[in-house]
Amino acid sequence: LAKTTQPISMDSYEGQEVNITCSHNNIATNDYITWYQQFPSQGPRFIIQGYKTKVTNEVASLFIPADRKSSTLSLPRVSLSDTAVYYCLVAVGGSSASKIIFGSGTRLSIRP
Amino acid sequence: EAGVAQSPRYKIIEKRQSVAFWCNPISGHATLYWYQQILGQGPKLLIQFQNNGVVDDSQLPKDRFSAERLKGVDSTLKIQPAKLEDSAVYLCASSSRPGTSGSGEQFFGPGTRLTVL
Repeated sequence: LAKTTQPISMDSYEGQEVNITCSHNNIATNDYITWYQQFPSQGPRFIIQGYKTKVTNEVASLFIPADRKSSTLSLPRVSLSDTAVYYCLVAVGGSSASKIIFGSGTRLSIRP
Repeated sequence: EAGVAQSPRYKIIEKRQSVAFWCNPISGHATLYWYQQILGQGPKLLIQFQNNGVVDDSQLPKDRFSAERLKGVDSTLKIQPAKLEDSAVYLCASSSRPGTSGSGEQFFGPGTRLTVL
């Protein structure tokens, strides 16, 4: 089964920009890339979603290259409260048999 | 707006016993998902419903797991008999978007933490 790949962990400091990349070689042609944030003992929470190029909302930006085989979540000026696990989610496979796949997650630790 | 509700929040059983989890999605959301999240891993999709029909259950261990969504609203996930490796958090999510697609925001419940001894 196709899978996505993310760094296991990342560390940064308050006020810095953090970029987390997810590779998804077999993404379904017509599907979106979505990123979620998860705190301990909670379900994942939606951050941002995109199909191509760049998407920006009030909390993050998402960069997607033309081949769509990877995506980068960018968190500007992180704070301690951004310490969490971040997952990418894609549908992989053909359009008639695509399957939803969560990445393995990146544990982000923010220090003062 | 009320979120996705799940119960129980915690459950401890012995292997070979049976267990059931309940999920009430956000009102009006046609798509419902059950995920299994083992400690330290990302959620794994077990089954996806569109209204009361199954869209994808390819990763559901059908010899021991079953799920239903009667009337296209609430859903239950059952494990019978449970194995030690079923220890995990079981997450329910709902979405207003249809299909086997990652598009559309999924709203997650708090999950049920299952421990099998």
